[in-house]
Amino acid sequence: GQNIDQPTEMTATEGAIVQINCTYQTSGFNGLFWYQQHAGEAPTFLSYNVLDGLEEKGRFSSFLSRSKGYSYLLLKELQMKDSASYLCAAKDSNYQLIWGAGTKLIIKP
Amino acid sequence: SQTIHQWPATLVQPVGSPLSLECTVEGTSNPNLYWYRQAAGRGLQLLFYSVGIGQISSEVPQNLSASRPQDRQFILSSKKLLLSDSGFYLCAWSKGEMETGELFFGEGSRLTVL
Repeated sequence: GQNIDQPTEMTATEGAIVQINCTYQTSGFNGLFWYQQHAGEAPTFLSYNVLDGLEEKGRFSSFLSRSKGYSYLLLKELQMKDSASYLCAAKDSNYQLIWGAGTKLIIKP
Repeated sequence: SQTIHQWPATLVQPVGSPLSLECTVEGTSNPNLYWYRQAAGRGLQLLFYSVGIGQISSEVPQNLSASRPQDRQFILSSKKLLLSDSGFYLCAWSKGEMETGELFFGEGSRLTVL
């Protein structure tokens, strides 16, 4: 079957760095997405990886290893507004998105 | 620029009542359209998607249905709601599936069935 695994919850301190991991098992692979979702709101797009390596976008970076079925989202210089859920999603051979349950990130001052 | 809007934002409905959620997209043509449901602690569940007018694919058998009467309009309906239909419903659009396929979500509709 198809499956996405990511931690349920993580806690980090304002100004620090946090890494949210995601492992995936899909029928074929056509890219991996990270979305941010604040409580009660819709998800918003953060990053897309289809090739191995690191993609950097400001304070956020996303890494992909296709051979390991693994990705992570790295958040630097954490701010209180980064408190949110972070959703990992992989696109399968039919170009359908398989979603993880999300990682709730709690930022403490 | 492209925008997506869905309504209503919140609704409370009794069991057995009908449902209609509406979603419209502006600023793009022939988008792929999606209805998702999000339950607490679970990943987004794809309910329906559409690649064109009148073309609806259902991912999960249930008492919900979807229609696409116009290119940029997507409607989620039910004739009789169940308690298990409660959740956060999200409409989304994307460009053609062969591209990056980034999803753009509407604001969401929170449905409580009592």
